[in-house]
Amino acid sequence: LAKTTQPISMDSYEGQEVNITCSHNNIATNDYITWYQQFPSQGPRFIIQGYKTKVTNEVASLFIPADRKSSTLSLPRVSLSDTAVYYCLVGDIGFRGTDKLIFGTGTRLQVFP
Amino acid sequence: DAGVIQSPRHEVTEMGQEVTLRCKPISGHDYLFWYRQTMMRGLELLIYFNNNVPIDDSGMPEDRFSAKMPNASFSTLKIQPSEPRDSAVYFCASSGPGQSNTEAFFGQGTRLTVV
Repeated sequence: LAKTTQPISMDSYEGQEVNITCSHNNIATNDYITWYQQFPSQGPRFIIQGYKTKVTNEVASLFIPADRKSSTLSLPRVSLSDTAVYYCLVGDIGFRGTDKLIFGTGTRLQVFP
Repeated sequence: DAGVIQSPRHEVTEMGQEVTLRCKPISGHDYLFWYRQTMMRGLELLIYFNNNVPIDDSGMPEDRFSAKMPNASFSTLKIQPSEPRDSAVYFCASSGPGQSNTEAFFGQGTRLTVV
């Protein structure tokens, strides 16, 4: 089961771009990389998912290098409402074997005005 | 769809009492997960089901915890007897076919306080 490592916390100011990097050195061939966001008193919410290269949606971009041993979540022009905990997950579609939806410690992003 | 629905939203109970948490997954989803979240331990996966069958319950802390999924639209997590250290927010999540199974939808959670 691929383990992920993220910074514990990050600070930013409104309007800046925020990049959160996650390390997953033992990622397997079948593993996808998924990011979730969690606000206080709410359940985690899916943000973006990718397998390789770059994925972009209306909320964020996900950059994955060729070796897939890391990934970077990019939040453009953050606002105060982006203050949350961001989780990086690595897992096999279909939960084969011991793969499960396991959350690490996450990165606590604080956005200041 | 209303999303994953959990009840109750808040539960305060006395030590030793039985507690039952309820979850209604999104219709059509075939995976259901139960998590527990505390400041100290973060989000812990307790158990998950596929097509109503428990697949992995290795995260269930002890025999006081049990979970059932009698049908595709309902699951329960029971703690008997409850202890103060069980105080946490319990989340239920579901994931469906046609999506990556790492895209799960979470309920609002049940905040359990055992006094």
